[in-house]
Amino acid sequence: QKEVEQNSGPLSVPEGAIASLNCTYSDRGSQSFFWYRQYSGKSPELIMSIYSNGDKEDGRFTAQLNKASQYVSLLIRDSQPSDSATYLCAVIASDSWGKLQFGAGTQVVVTP
Amino acid sequence: DAGVIQSPRHEVTEMGQEVTLRCKPISGHDYLFWYRQTMMRGLELLIYFNNNVPIDDSGMPEDRFSAKMPNASFSTLKIQPSEPRDSAVYFCASSKYRTGMDEQYFGPGTRLTVT
Repeated sequence: QKEVEQNSGPLSVPEGAIASLNCTYSDRGSQSFFWYRQYSGKSPELIMSIYSNGDKEDGRFTAQLNKASQYVSLLIRDSQPSDSATYLCAVIASDSWGKLQFGAGTQVVVTP
Repeated sequence: DAGVIQSPRHEVTEMGQEVTLRCKPISGHDYLFWYRQTMMRGLELLIYFNNNVPIDDSGMPEDRFSAKMPNASFSTLKIQPSEPRDSAVYFCASSKYRTGMDEQYFGPGTRLTVT
């Protein structure tokens, strides 16, 4: 069973600080990685995609990928109360295009 | 674009009744996915289609569940008969195949309660 692992949290972050979320995956052949944000009672919203080793920045978000270590992370800089949500790590299975495997999610709480 | 559209947004039904959930993918997207989300099991892929053809239904929990995609703009997920353990939020998502890139976009979901 291919797995995607995340710390469930909650991760409490002071406003203005950096939130750091981690994700590990077991499918060594995976090539596509995503971070989704899900507010309570809402659907998952894609915030970042990353396909190559290294860092990818988009506004206050930075995704980091290390395929050798099978590790992907998300940094949220200058955290705002509106960033309080559950963040889902997702990985495309190597044996089936499009088949996303989700982690259980990390709940982030940004405190004013 | 209107995004992925799902209906109904909420459904309350009694055990044993048939339930039909509906989804309209983003225009031009050739992949459609049905997911179920519960507190206990998280987000699970039930089935997905490519160009209206079911590709992988290994996540469908049992024969009570069925899904169809009669055309590129419409899909249904049917549960017959429904059971209380089917209570969950059901999401539809769609994506467009591009080599090396495969972002999925989710609809608002249908919250199903089976009493």
